[in-house]
Amino acid sequence: TQLLEQSPQFLSIQEGENLTVYCNSSSVFSSLQWYRQEPGEGPVLLVTVVTGGEVKKLKRLTFQFGDARKDSSLHITAAQPGDTGLYLCAGALWGGGADGLTFGKGTHLIIQP
Amino acid sequence: GAGVSQSPSNKVTEKGKDVELRCDPISGHTALYWYRQSLGQGLEFLIYFQGNSAPDKSGLPSDRFSAERTGGSVSTLTIQRTQQEDSAVYLCASSISGYEQYFGPGTRLTVT
Repeated sequence: TQLLEQSPQFLSIQEGENLTVYCNSSSVFSSLQWYRQEPGEGPVLLVTVVTGGEVKKLKRLTFQFGDARKDSSLHITAAQPGDTGLYLCAGALWGGGADGLTFGKGTHLIIQP
Repeated sequence: GAGVSQSPSNKVTEKGKDVELRCDPISGHTALYWYRQSLGQGLEFLIYFQGNSAPDKSGLPSDRFSAERTGGSVSTLTIQRTQQEDSAVYLCASSISGYEQYFGPGTRLTVT
């Protein structure tokens, strides 16, 4: 059973469109991170959300942490080809770093010019 | 650059051989993590080191896997008697806070 469910798994859209990626769980997380990974590289941290209901914006990317701290979303406005990549959500369970981060399987995003 | 570095970047080995993967964390980061990323499976937590404390080995998939961290810095992940199912990308991450983790580029291991 996957602790963090990401959807959709694959998404291919045209440049300029908007999209939302979801990350859902039945578990409560102390914090949740979003990473972006390109082929042959390690994941790169985009944002950390720690407060239920928190919304963070990074240019065209908007991240939201659910009120109950069980889910999160990533919204991209006016997607560009440079946004192409694998987007991973990862949650830290209550209890500290010893558990590592629990990762979703990722959303493969392709933005076509 | 002062990021996490890993070596080798690629490793091809024959089934049954031992391999050693290395990770150099970001200077000053006390926490170090190893993950495995297999196709279609996402990242799987393997082991965690906090400073010089004994590691949490709960995620290691079998007793063929071991890891050590010398002087609270460099870490090596050793896989003995490699099997084909060990083929994956092995990622190392370091952290100060525990939840904001910074990843290296990974080692792609192929067992033939």
